[in-house]
Amino acid sequence: DAKTTQPPSMDCAEGRAANLPCNHSTISGNEYVYWYRQIHSQGPQYIIHGLKNNETNEMASLIITEDRKSSTLILPHATLRDTAVYYCIVRVPINYGQNFVFGPGTRLSVLP
Amino acid sequence: ETGVTQTPRHLVMGMTNKKSLKCEQHLGHNAMYWYKQSAKKPLELMFVYNFKEQTENNSVPSRFSPECPNSSHLFLHLHTLQPEDSALYLCASSQGTSGGLDTQYFGPGTRLTVL
Repeated sequence: DAKTTQPPSMDCAEGRAANLPCNHSTISGNEYVYWYRQIHSQGPQYIIHGLKNNETNEMASLIITEDRKSSTLILPHATLRDTAVYYCIVRVPINYGQNFVFGPGTRLSVLP
Repeated sequence: ETGVTQTPRHLVMGMTNKKSLKCEQHLGHNAMYWYKQSAKKPLELMFVYNFKEQTENNSVPSRFSPECPNSSHLFLHLHTLQPEDSALYLCASSQGTSGGLDTQYFGPGTRLTVL
């Protein structure tokens, strides 16, 4: 099972900031938080990841709370092309190590 | 363009056919992955290879057979599939499998339909 919980869906007006929350209350101290998105029937696209500090790149910003139990992905100026399913991921143990487990994610709809 | 390519992009096969999916990464990564995504379901990890060695088989039926001849290529051999195996099959690669090295980059996927 995924170690994260996200709202199933969100709407955002075009040009406004989209703030996507994620809870990961059981995260361990050395586990990174990753965000991916998947546009319909395409492969997931890497967005950003972080450990403790806030991170920013050309696509988005990642805000991680001080206790690391939750995070927020921020798309500063959402466009229609940002409509996708957004996945928040923390690695989980599997048989021979640890790996990503994708949950159902948040379906973001950017509205004109 | 993520540097991970998959062929074919679409495949239709009968239950008695044998086919193979191919994945190639041009990123110099050491780990490669196969995922399955059925309709309206989250991605499911199938296999993990690290330095050409299989490190994870996530209880996948034997009708799916992976092959990793080198760190750049990954195959998924299919035989006697069932209609419920119809799905999007995704390949990914990462530099490593731990710490900050395991950012996975995905290919576009192969849409498989089993008749």
